[in-house]
Formats: sequence, structure tokens, C-alpha cells
Amino acid sequence: SQQGEEDPQALSIQEGENATMNCSYKTSINNLQWYRQNSGRGLVHLILIRSNEREKHSGRLRVTLDTSKKSSSLLITASRAADTASYFCATGGSGTYKYIFGTGTRLKVLA
Amino acid sequence: DSGVTQTPKHLITATGQRVTLRCSPRSGDLSVYWYQQSLDQGLQFLIQYYNGEERAKGNILERFSAQQFPDLHSELNLSSLELGDSALYFCASSVSRVTGELFFGEGSRLTVL
Repeated sequence: SQQGEEDPQALSIQEGENATMNCSYKTSINNLQWYRQNSGRGLVHLILIRSNEREKHSGRLRVTLDTSKKSSSLLITASRAADTASYFCATGGSGTYKYIFGTGTRLKVLA
Repeated sequence: DSGVTQTPKHLITATGQRVTLRCSPRSGDLSVYWYQQSLDQGLQFLIQYYNGEERAKGNILERFSAQQFPDLHSELNLSSLELGDSALYFCASSVSRVTGELFFGEGSRLTVL
């Protein structure tokens, strides 16, 4: 079964608005990563947050991690039409070499 | 360009056939991961290799097999193909076998008719 589950499954917002998507996972992790996928293309790494970190920023991206709740959120501020894509979280487990991806959030930013 | 190369980009074949998908990782990356993505679905982890050795296995069918060669390229072999095997197959590579960013290829789209 999938380790990560993103919520919501789909999100539609206006350009300039903020987009927030959430990821929940099941077991202990070393780190959590967020990836972006444009339709039918390969995934692109956005940001990695380690299990001992609570918040991380990269440009317009802000990621939080709550290991007690086994959840993470990705915030995209001031969204642009070019941010339209699917966003996936991936968890690297403790003691495992696997990276398990969630089911993704499909974000649509309307111009 | 991620530096990960996958061939072929598209492949159409018939049920019962066998195909081989090839992946060349980024220069210097020792870990290779294979994922399957069915239409509008998440990525299913199949298998991971590190420097030629299998390190982790996911939901990989017995009809599927993979290997990583001494030059670090990897091949995913899919046999006795079924309609449900139609999917995008992604290869990713990373420097570290345990943690770190994954670099994805553009995928091989397999259509089984």
C-alpha cells in the first residue's frame, strides 16, 4: 500500500492565491520530499525536509513536517499558471532504501 | 534535463510479449529506482539497485525483473505482458542509497494492446 496520501486529490485556485496540499504517511521516516510532475513528464524534486526539521523554505515554497502526526504540508504562495501540475510527497523510511510516493494532488491554477 | 536517460520513450506491443526498458542514471549516481505509474495514479515503487546489487523490492510482479550492470545502467524486463501493464515506467537515480534527492527520467510509456 502507498506510504503517503496527499490531500486534496485535486485543487483549483486563481492565480495569485496560495495553494496548500497535505501529505500523511504511516511509518517512521528519515526524510520527506515533495516532487512536481507536469502531465506525462518525469518528476522534478522540489524540496526535502529531514525528520528533525519542522519547517523549510525554498522560494515560494514552504514545507512543514509534523512527525508526531505523521503529516506534512506544502504551501505554494502567490501561485502562477505555470504551477499547474501534480504534486507528490515521497517518504524515505528509517532503515529502508525505498522511496514511497503518495497518490498526488492535481493543482490547477487559473489565469 | 535531469541527466537520467530512459529508452524507449514509447513502446506499443501485444499481450503475451516481452519488452526491455533501459535506464542510464546520472553520471556518478550509484542508486537506480524503478517506478510504475498507471493512468492518473501515483507511483508504485518496483525495485531499487545500488552499485549493481538489489537493495529494495516493492510491488514488482514475478513477470517483471530488473538488473543493474557494471556500468550502472539498468534494465527492467517485463514479460507475458497483460493489458494492465500499460503504464509509464520511470527510472530515477540518486547519489546516496539511503537518502537524498531522486532524479527522474522522462519515462517509458508502454501500451499493451
